[in-house]
Amino acid sequence: EVQVLESGGGLVQPGGSLRLSCAASGFTFQYYAMNWVRQAPGQGLEWVSTISGSGDTTFYADSVKGRFTISRDNSRNTLYLQLTSLRVTDTAVYYCAKEGAGTYHFDHWGQGTLVTVSS
Amino acid sequence: SYELTQPLSVSVALGQTTRITCGGDNIGTKNVHWYQQKPGQAPVLVIFRDTNRPSGIPERFSASNSGNTATLTISRAQAGDEADYYCQVWDTSFTYVFGAGTKVTVL
Repeated sequence: EVQVLESGGGLVQPGGSLRLSCAASGFTFQYYAMNWVRQAPGQGLEWVSTISGSGDTTFYADSVKGRFTISRDNSRNTLYLQLTSLRVTDTAVYYCAKEGAGTYHFDHWGQGTLVTVSS
Repeated sequence: SYELTQPLSVSVALGQTTRITCGGDNIGTKNVHWYQQKPGQAPVLVIFRDTNRPSGIPERFSASNSGNTATLTISRAQAGDEADYYCQVWDTSFTYVFGAGTKVTVL
């Protein structure tokens, strides 16, 4: 059974940093791109970042480019998201999502981890 | 940037059929995916690549995509289908785009 489990969320001040983790199991991790998608309170879904299976290619939404860094450790089946220069508008539940095969969609999601940016 | 337009909300009587639209410029040329999100839960993929159901998703969920509109159809609606539904495409600028979501209420 495919499972992804996020951790690392919490309360941080504006301008602060945080690192999110996502532990994956039930599939061959290195074969699949992985993603972060976020959802601000009461709002819709927003794609944040994607990393290829090998880790050598990354993509970011314009809203986080230059502030967030996605990475992965295929030996530990773990995905990461380093958040820096955090803004109040980054407050959201951050979901880890496995890429579906072939056509750029998300076939399995974690339960999410809440990041609150507030002074 | 590419935009997807969904109605804010739709309602359906128990046991009846409802359709949720997702509008976009020539969306029929793209692969459209649909997600269901119940309150307090993570999204769940219900349709991928326009018309395909993942294992475990009931046949009551179906979809189509043509022209400027993709449509998710929920047949024989049940109380458990109450949720927010999001459409999603991948844009050639390497951006995943979501619609704003449609709240489905089962009466």
